[in-house]
Amino acid sequence: GEDVEQSLFLSVREGDSSVINCTYTDSSSTYLYWYKQEPGAGLQLLTYIFSNMDMKQDQRLTVLLNKKDKHLSLRIADTQTGDSAIYFCAEKIDSWGKFQFGAGTQVVVTP
Amino acid sequence: DAGVTQSPTHLIKTRGQHVTLRCSPISGHKSVSWYQQVLGQGPQFIFQYYEKEERGRGNFPDRFSARQFPNYSSELNVNALLLGDSALYLCASSVDSHNEQFFGPGTRLTVL
Repeated sequence: GEDVEQSLFLSVREGDSSVINCTYTDSSSTYLYWYKQEPGAGLQLLTYIFSNMDMKQDQRLTVLLNKKDKHLSLRIADTQTGDSAIYFCAEKIDSWGKFQFGAGTQVVVTP
Repeated sequence: DAGVTQSPTHLIKTRGQHVTLRCSPISGHKSVSWYQQVLGQGPQFIFQYYEKEERGRGNFPDRFSARQFPNYSSELNVNALLLGDSALYLCASSVDSHNEQFFGPGTRLTVL
């Protein structure tokens, strides 16, 4: 089946690390993505990981992929108030680029 | 560089009407995808077009249709609007159908 699941809400203190988790079901997914959506805006691509990788680091962002458990996580180091947004996990589920999104995790950063 | 652009930004329609939403991809991108995002949910795939041909279709009724023009811009048409069609409609473009997708700001459609 095609289903991507995320926890709905995360509260984190400014300066701490945030970890957003995601599980997916399509084992044939080639790429997995993290998008950020701020209020009233479209989706901003943050990072992605190829399915044959375990980890990818990009500045404050670290993506971990456990393909056996179909688990993806996004770690944001030194979380800032500007990181408050909804974060979507997405998997590419066919060769033509159809994306399946999770429902999103709302991250609230408190001072 | 201009990103993906969509028009209009907001739209209010009544039940039974039809609507046309427009999208211009990033320059050089040949693939356009459309998504529907209902409040509180993640985007749901509607269509993907590449080189003016439909390459994928999500689980949406035939009231939804789309096309891509020679300049790679795209239109999404929705006929016989229902209250449940109220959503943010997102357009995404990619270099080809296989690469990462970049999203526009969306069109907020309200059906009364």
